[in-house]
Amino acid sequence: KNEVEQSPQNLTAQEGEFITINCSYSVGISALHWLQQHPGGGIVSLFMLSSGKKKHGRLIATINIQEKHSSLHITASHPRDSAVYICAASGGGADGLTFGKGTHLIIQP
Amino acid sequence: NAGVTQTPKFQVLKTGQSMTLQCAQDMNHNSMYWYRQDPGMGLRLIYYSASEGTTDKGEVPNGYNVSRLNKREFSLRLESAAPSQTSVYFCASSENRKASIYNEQFFGPGTRLTVL
Repeated sequence: KNEVEQSPQNLTAQEGEFITINCSYSVGISALHWLQQHPGGGIVSLFMLSSGKKKHGRLIATINIQEKHSSLHITASHPRDSAVYICAASGGGADGLTFGKGTHLIIQP
Repeated sequence: NAGVTQTPKFQVLKTGQSMTLQCAQDMNHNSMYWYRQDPGMGLRLIYYSASEGTTDKGEVPNGYNVSRLNKREFSLRLESAAPSQTSVYFCASSENRKASIYNEQFFGPGTRLTVL
């Protein structure tokens, strides 16, 4: 069973700061997912990657397969980025995701 | 397209009552999932259906049953609700094509269930 660990659990930063959230997993995966959940809201998929780096707007996700580690970066953070960010591992096929416990991010104006 | 829809949005039950959570997707996805989200525990897989006609247990299946009614619909049933089943329940779907290892999951809005 894959164990997915995220850090930090909570992060408060000032608007404009560069944000990094880390994720590590214990066994090989087919893909690593980054998800976003706003308070009281649904869950949205941000990235799905199995190697290298992906970028979407101010968000960047990287993965190092050898080290079993992924990072989510937010550049020029904004209060609307305040949310819970969740990483999840998929082992391939249709077996569902194994989730980290999430990082609660607050960006203060 | 509505994506993944769930009903109801909120529900309060008494211990021992039964209920069914409904989930439907209009993206012609093959696979569907039920997760529960609890404070401090994160999201955990209850049951999944890899394709129409199949269902399998996930990490926390006890106390639940599921039905994949057709390709669109996947329901979760609590036969005798317990306070430990108080949680937020999310349904998700993915295309899960064999030719692709990329299986982005699309989530419904969630059902907040309280069992007294």
